[in-house]
Amino acid sequence: GDSVTQMEGPVTLSEEAFLTINCTYTATGYPSLFWYVQYPGEGLQLLLKATKADDKGSNKGFEATYRKETTSFHLEKGSVQVSDSAVYFCALRSPDSNYQLIWGAGTKLIIKP
Amino acid sequence: GAVVSQHPSWVICKSGTSVKIECRSLDFQATTMFWYRQFPKQSLMLMATSNEGSKATYEQGVEKDKFLINHASLTLSTLTVTSAHPEDSSFYICSARGGSLDTQYFGPGTRLTVL
Repeated sequence: GDSVTQMEGPVTLSEEAFLTINCTYTATGYPSLFWYVQYPGEGLQLLLKATKADDKGSNKGFEATYRKETTSFHLEKGSVQVSDSAVYFCALRSPDSNYQLIWGAGTKLIIKP
Repeated sequence: GAVVSQHPSWVICKSGTSVKIECRSLDFQATTMFWYRQFPKQSLMLMATSNEGSKATYEQGVEKDKFLINHASLTLSTLTVTSAHPEDSSFYICSARGGSLDTQYFGPGTRLTVL
């Protein structure tokens, strides 16, 4: 079945460092791909998404490119801030399901000043 | 943007009692609502999917008689944990799909602690 694998955390970086959180997927057909973020004490928020191969989603300085050849959707940011500390979830939505999101395990990001 | 609310945000109850959690889409009609459970340091686990006016579809391993879901309207779904036990303690999150962008929006979650 469809699945999402993302790098284990926690990931600890210093402020202004470059961030990459890896995400790879297994799916039939052509899924849509998402990154969600959960800040401490808050609910999940959609960070960015891409619906077809080679699409790049971007928001708040974060980017991720839908790579079908490597089945990946890695999250990147050029210069992280303390306020980016959160748990990041990679997910896919398969066209064969009832819009059910398939989730990665989540990666906790800690940014130190 | 679209907002989904949950009530209560946290609840503590005694073992054997039932707890109801409400999920509302505040400014859009949700054609489908989802209920998730999040264990500490783990990802979200989908419990069930519900469409307005029809019975919920439960994921394998989720007891439908224990986790009662009612999707009474296009803006309200409820999850009732019946005869709660300490192992039911968890973070329950609902999400609603709908709106102009047909996106899935998440509620802030409800922390359930069963003593």
